[in-house]
Amino acid sequence: EIVLTQSPATLSLSPGERATLSCRASQSITSYLAWYQQKPGQAPRLLIYDASNRAAGIPARFSGSGSGTDFTLTISSLEPEDFALYLCLQRSGWPHTFGGGTKVEMK
Amino acid sequence: QVQLQESGPGLVKPSETLSLTCTVSGGSISGYYWSWIRQSPGKGLEWIGYVHYTGSTDFNPSLRSRVTISRDTSKNQFSLKLNSVTAADTALYYCARSGDESRGYLDYWGQGALVTVSS
Repeated sequence: EIVLTQSPATLSLSPGERATLSCRASQSITSYLAWYQQKPGQAPRLLIYDASNRAAGIPARFSGSGSGTDFTLTISSLEPEDFALYLCLQRSGWPHTFGGGTKVEMK
Repeated sequence: QVQLQESGPGLVKPSETLSLTCTVSGGSISGYYWSWIRQSPGKGLEWIGYVHYTGSTDFNPSLRSRVTISRDTSKNQFSLKLNSVTAADTALYYCARSGDESRGYLDYWGQGALVTVSS
């Protein structure tokens, strides 16, 4: 099973700041990685697929990069509604697996 | 707009079978993969398995011996059965869709159904 490790566990930032989140895979997953945003009491929302493609309706301040084993989600300038839990998901190997998440909290 | 809604008992006794149904509205089951995912504080998000609209399935090896996922195209529903449950199966269970449009990633999710395993 492919293990995804997200870091940091928590990121404390202020609105307007840049957020950089990491997801590392235990083996190469080429570009088969997605990023999700989850708010309390809600299901995850797809932000980025295939490492760097924004899903429909996702603002341009969200961007993804990486390939192989190291991936990054960048939020260029945090809006108040961006404070949430962020999860990565790989679909390179079965079972598809999720990372443990990074919580972006307001400083 | 596609919507998914989970339904089923919120409390299941240990050793019994957990049964959930996901009803899809605003679109057809045809052409997509339909999955069950669960989320618990201890284990995070775990993909349980999926059923393709054709009826083919695959399951997480960690749960394969206890899981059945099926679909009913006439009712636009798909279902999860997990037998011999223990407290470790207590979780929020989501149903979700994936397909070519989302490059195989889960794009539409239900709101989740909390299932507690307890006597």
